[in-house]
Amino acid sequence: EIVLTQFPGTLSLSPGERATLSCRASQTVSSSYLAWYQQKPGQAPRLLIYRASSRATGVPDRFSGSGSGTDFTLTISRLEPEDFAVFYCQQYGSSPYSFGQGTKLEIK
Amino acid sequence: EVQLVESGGGLIQPGGSLRLSCAASGFAVSNLYMGWVRQAPGRGLEWVSIIYGAATYYADSVRGRFTISSDTSKNTLYLQMNSLRAEDTALYYCARDPGLPVQAFDVWGQGRMVTVSS
Repeated sequence: EIVLTQFPGTLSLSPGERATLSCRASQTVSSSYLAWYQQKPGQAPRLLIYRASSRATGVPDRFSGSGSGTDFTLTISRLEPEDFAVFYCQQYGSSPYSFGQGTKLEIK
Repeated sequence: EVQLVESGGGLIQPGGSLRLSCAASGFAVSNLYMGWVRQAPGRGLEWVSIIYGAATYYADSVRGRFTISSDTSKNTLYLQMNSLRAEDTALYYCARDPGLPVQAFDVWGQGRMVTVSS
């Protein structure tokens, strides 16, 4: 089973700043099958990035994903007030298709 | 409109059984991967199970107790949960994975709460 570790656990930033979230896998994620989701309180998760670097439909271009193998990054180039939430990575290269424990992005 | 609507769930005693349903609209469940993800109160997301045609996959924590299935005539996904434990208490989401090139959960239901308690 692939274990995903996200860091930092909590990231405190201000609107307009750049956010960098990391996700490290215990084994290589095949074919870069790594996704990022955003979840706001009381809402279902929302797909942001799939295949490590492809933006999902309707996702603003300030969100970008990168990485391969075991190290992946979600970058938000310039934070908007609505971006503050919890972010999860998920690998779907091999079953079980595990999630990371999440990074909480909070307003500083 | 593409939509997933869960039903079922509720309060159940340890050792009991429950079935969740997820009605899909705007697409056919038979053509795609469909899955379940749960979230315990105040915790993160946990992948539970996925189905694609006759192929099914489960998390170790539920294998042998939970069964995922779909009814194409009703365009509905199911999760049969047996031998329920307190640690199964969570909000259960159904979600669709459209397959390549996306191959991730791009549409989610609103979630259904399952509480296992005596």
